[in-house]
Amino acid sequence: GDSVTQMEGPVTLSEEAFLTINCTYTATGYPSLFWYVQYPGEGLQLLLKATKADDKGSNKGFEATYRKETTSFHLEKGSVQVSDSAVYFCALRGGSNYQLIWGAGTKLIIKP
Amino acid sequence: DTGVSQNPRHKITKRGQNVTFRCDPISEHNRLYWYRQTLGQGPEFLTYFQNEAQLEKSRLLSDRFSAERPKGSFSTLEIQRTEQGDSAMYLCASSRTGGEQPQHFGDGTRLSIL
Repeated sequence: GDSVTQMEGPVTLSEEAFLTINCTYTATGYPSLFWYVQYPGEGLQLLLKATKADDKGSNKGFEATYRKETTSFHLEKGSVQVSDSAVYFCALRGGSNYQLIWGAGTKLIIKP
Repeated sequence: DTGVSQNPRHKITKRGQNVTFRCDPISEHNRLYWYRQTLGQGPEFLTYFQNEAQLEKSRLLSDRFSAERPKGSFSTLEIQRTEQGDSAMYLCASSRTGGEQPQHFGDGTRLSIL
């Protein structure tokens, strides 16, 4: 079945560092791909999405490109801030199902 | 857009008791989803409604679980004869119909079984 694999956390970086959180997927067909973020004490929020190969999703300085050839959707940000500390989830939605299939999440800790 | 609302935020109960959670979706969203999330894991799909019709149920949803969405508005998720393994965060999400409409999540109901 469909699945999503994320790099394990926690990922600890200093403020202004470059961020990459890896996400790879297994799916039949052409899934849509999402990154959600969960800040401490809050619910899941959609961060960005991409619906077809080579699409780039972006929001709040974060970017991710849908790479069909490597089945990847890595999350990047050029300069992280303390306020980016959160848990980041990669997810896919494929085929005729509307459910989201999720990775285990990656906790990001940004130190000042 | 007032967001997805879930009640209660926390529920503590003894093993064997029944519990019911409520989800109020964003008003113009006709799709509603329930997920379960345990510590350190991503959410797992439980069930999905389009309007009042329950269109899909996960194998995770045992006979002790039932979900309803009367009149296609709010939804309830009931767990009967709770077990220790039911302890988790129960998440509700809603979305519009069509294409790649994103799912909007509530803050969840945390269930603790004593």
